[in-house]
Amino acid sequence: DVKVTQSSRYLVKRTGEKVFLECVQDMDHENMFWYRQDPGLGLRLIYFSYDVKMKEKGDIPEGYSVSREKKERFSLILESASTNQTSMYLCASRGQGSINGYTFGSGTRLTVV
Amino acid sequence: GQSLEQPSEVTAVEGAIVQINCTYQTSGFYGLSWYQQHDGGAPTFLSYNALDGLEETGRFSSFLSRSDSYGYLLLQELQMKDSASYFCAVRGGYQKVTFGIGTKLQVIP
Repeated sequence: DVKVTQSSRYLVKRTGEKVFLECVQDMDHENMFWYRQDPGLGLRLIYFSYDVKMKEKGDIPEGYSVSREKKERFSLILESASTNQTSMYLCASRGQGSINGYTFGSGTRLTVV
Repeated sequence: GQSLEQPSEVTAVEGAIVQINCTYQTSGFYGLSWYQQHDGGAPTFLSYNALDGLEETGRFSSFLSRSDSYGYLLLQELQMKDSASYFCAVRGGYQKVTFGIGTKLQVIP
């Protein structure tokens, strides 16, 4: 089974801090994604990557950046955390051409205080 | 842009059948997916429809009508463990998937 691992389950950070959320997948998938999930808003795409060092903006990229230096690892960076970035962050991966949908990590619940 | 509509909540009785509808508006369309998410858990992939018609996987079936921009997820022989949120998701462009806000299904005895 594909496994997507997010490094932290819960994080509490202060406003203005630089925050790194790490995601690793073990099935050699080309495509990786970062979503945030908020009540009443569903899952919204922040950034995605279809190859090493490649990145594309999703629907809500403002305030975020990403890094993909290795195929298995996709990092989400909050340059200067703000309280409106308090959310559940979900990483996902998918193989090229796969019709089997995303495999999600367990999520990181980030609270910015 | 893309938008999806699905009911926010549905309640059904254990052993019954429930249908969760999803309508979408997209600038492009590659397929419709369904995901299940239990409270505190990660979304898990259930099904994918790229062509019109019904896809069946055990107790779950998913239907798509591209001409109507409409699909549904059908859950049969409901069990208590089916209580979860169900998301429809449209792949409207290369690697670009948009999710609905989710339908919270409560199965009652």
